Amino acid sequence: DTEVTQTPKHLVMGMTNKKSLKCEQHMGHRAMYWYKQKAKKPPELMFVYSYEKLSINESVPSRFSPECPNSSLLNLHLHALQPEDSALYLCASSPGAGEHYGYTFGSGTRLTVV
Amino acid sequence: GIQVEQSPPDLILQEGANSTLRCNFSDSVNNLQWFHQNPWGQLINLFYIPSGTKQNGRLSATTVATERYSLLYISSSQTTDSGVYFCAVVGNQFYFGTGTSLTVIP
Repeated sequence: DTEVTQTPKHLVMGMTNKKSLKCEQHMGHRAMYWYKQKAKKPPELMFVYSYEKLSINESVPSRFSPECPNSSLLNLHLHALQPEDSALYLCASSPGAGEHYGYTFGSGTRLTVV
Repeated sequence: GIQVEQSPPDLILQEGANSTLRCNFSDSVNNLQWFHQNPWGQLINLFYIPSGTKQNGRLSATTVATERYSLLYISSSQTTDSGVYFCAVVGNQFYFGTGTSLTVIP
C-alpha cells in the first residue's frame, strides 16, 4: 500500500463547530505532516509528527490541534475556525523526518468555514 | 528559511509542445523534489533529484546543486499535464517553491 488516505474529501463547517480531519498511511513511515494550502499558493507546513514527537509551526493558531493515536494515523482537530481557515488541507508521510525520498501526499480535504 | 523561486509563474501550451520549468533556490540543500498538483489537488511526486539528471517518459529533470537551480522538461505535452508544478527543497524542513501553473490546450 503506497497511499496516504485522507477523509473526508470535502467538509463544510460553521465557526462554532468542532470537526476532525483524518489521515492514514500503511507504508511504515515514521513521519507524518499536515499542510495548509490556499488557492494559487504553495503548501505551508503546519505540523510534523515524527518518532512520537510533535513539531509545531508557531504561526499556526491553537484552534488547530493535531493528534497521533498511533504511527499510521494523524488527525487534525478543528475548533472555532474562521472563514480565512478555508483551504485545502494536505497530509503527507515520509520514512523519517529527515528522509524525504518517498515523500507521499494524500489527496487532501477541501475545508470551507461558513 | 530557504527561498525557492519558480519561473514562469504561468504557462499556456498547445498540445504537443515542449516546455522548460525552472526552480532557483537560495541556499545549499540536501534534496530537491518536483511535484505535480492536478486540478483536483492531488500532489504527485515526479522526481527526487538532489543532483544530476533523471528521465521518466516524457518528463526529465536536471539539478545543478552548485549553481542552485533545477529544470523540469516536459516534451510532447498532453492536456493531462495541466496543473501546478512545484519544486520543493529540503534544508531543515521542506520548502516549496512558488509554483508554475501549466495549462495545455488541445
